[in-house]
Amino acid sequence: DVKVTQSSRYLVKRTGEKVFLECVQDMDHENMFWYRQDPGLGLRLIYFSYDVKMKEKGDIPEGYSVSREKKERFSLILESASTNQTSMYLCASRLRGAGGNSPLHFGNGTRLTVT
Amino acid sequence: GNSVTQMEGPVTLSEEAFLTINCTYTATGYPSLFWYVQYPGEGLQLLLKATKADDKGSNKGFEATYRKETTSFHLEKGSVQVSDSAVYFCALSTRGLYGNNRLAFGKGNQVVVIP
Repeated sequence: DVKVTQSSRYLVKRTGEKVFLECVQDMDHENMFWYRQDPGLGLRLIYFSYDVKMKEKGDIPEGYSVSREKKERFSLILESASTNQTSMYLCASRLRGAGGNSPLHFGNGTRLTVT
Repeated sequence: GNSVTQMEGPVTLSEEAFLTINCTYTATGYPSLFWYVQYPGEGLQLLLKATKADDKGSNKGFEATYRKETTSFHLEKGSVQVSDSAVYFCALSTRGLYGNNRLAFGKGNQVVVIP
């Protein structure tokens, strides 16, 4: 069974701090994703990576960056946290190819609060 | 661009009632369609999928049929249980270069089943 592990379930950070959210998957998936989930807005894609050292902006990349130095790990970085980045962050991974048919496998999420 | 629209608002129903959640999509090409479910405190998990027109996905008593003519993928279950209380997301995936397929998600519907 695919396991996607997010390093923290809950985080509380102060405005202006640099924040790292870590995600590790154990199934050798090429594609990895970071989403944020907010009430009434559903899931919005922040960044994704289709292979090591490859990244592509999603729909709401402003204020975020990512790092994919190893295949199993995809990190989301908030360069200077702001209160409007308080949210649930979900990491996901997927096998590449298959014409888009392969499903996403999600971690349990990190609930970040910025005060 | 690609997008998914789900019916507005939460759905509250009694145990053993019939459940329908509407999903329509806009996409270029021939997308694959998915339903994901999110139980309280967890990440999303794949419920079912369909990869071409007229395909029917099914799992755990849930069904959805890929209707190209109406660009729809409505989720149905004949007799819901309390354990089906969750948030349900419709999603689509289209082919991309180098396996970098994106998923577009609907906003989700909270389903509450009352005993």
